[in-house]
Amino acid sequence: GAGVSQTPSNKVTEKGKYVELRCDPISGHTALYWYRQSLGQGPEFLIYFQGTGAADDSGLPNDRFFAVRPEGSVSTLKIQRTERGDSAVYLCASSLGSGRASTDTQYFGPGTRLTVL
Amino acid sequence: AQSVTQLDSQVPVFEEAPVELRCNYSSSVSVYLFWYVQYPNQGLQLLLKYLSGSTLVKGINGFEAEFNKSQTSFHLRKPSVHISDTAEYFCAVSGPTGGFKTIFGAGTRLFVKA
Repeated sequence: GAGVSQTPSNKVTEKGKYVELRCDPISGHTALYWYRQSLGQGPEFLIYFQGTGAADDSGLPNDRFFAVRPEGSVSTLKIQRTERGDSAVYLCASSLGSGRASTDTQYFGPGTRLTVL
Repeated sequence: AQSVTQLDSQVPVFEEAPVELRCNYSSSVSVYLFWYVQYPNQGLQLLLKYLSGSTLVKGINGFEAEFNKSQTSFHLRKPSVHISDTAEYFCAVSGPTGGFKTIFGAGTRLFVKA
C-alpha cells in the first residue's frame, strides 16, 4: 500500500514569507506526527495529532508554527514569517494510533527540505 | 525529562565484520526504546523496538538490541554487516512521562567498507 507522502519535496522561500507543508498519512492511521530534522541531528518532535485534534503540541518552537488536520487525515504544517533558522527537513509520520500511542511504530515520509534564504 | 545519547557519530566497519552501535538513555521511569534506520534518500523505518518482556530484541535485517536497565543502554548489534547496511541509525525513547513524544538521538552513521 501507499506510504506516507509529503509535498513539496523541496521548498525554497525568502525570509519573512509564509509556507505550508503537506502530509498525507497512511490510510487508516489515526495518529500523525510532525518532526524537524536539522543537519547532523535526529528528528525533533513538533506536534502529535490523534484524529483531528492536536494531543501534544509542546514541541512547536514558537507561535509562528501551527499545524492542522481538519478531517483527521491530511495535515498541514504552517510557518509564518519564516526565519533562516527554520531551514531544516520537516518529517511527517503516521501510526495506527493505538490507545498507548507511545508504543506505536511510526511510518515516516521522505520529508520536505525547507530552505529559507 | 527523557534524553538519548548516541555515543558514536560515525562507525566505519569492513564488510562481514560485527558491529555495535551504542545508545544510552536518561529517564527516571520505565521507557520504550526504538531503533530506526534511514537509508540514503529514504525515510526512516523501524528496525526494532523494546516495550517490555525479554531484554533481547530481534529486528529486521539481522539486527538485534539488548535493553540493559541498570546501565540505561540499548545497544544495537549485528554479527556480520553488508555493504547495504550503510545508513544512518537513530535510537529513540518514549514513555509514560513523555506523553506522546518520541525523543531521538543525534544518529550514528554506519559506513560499511568492502
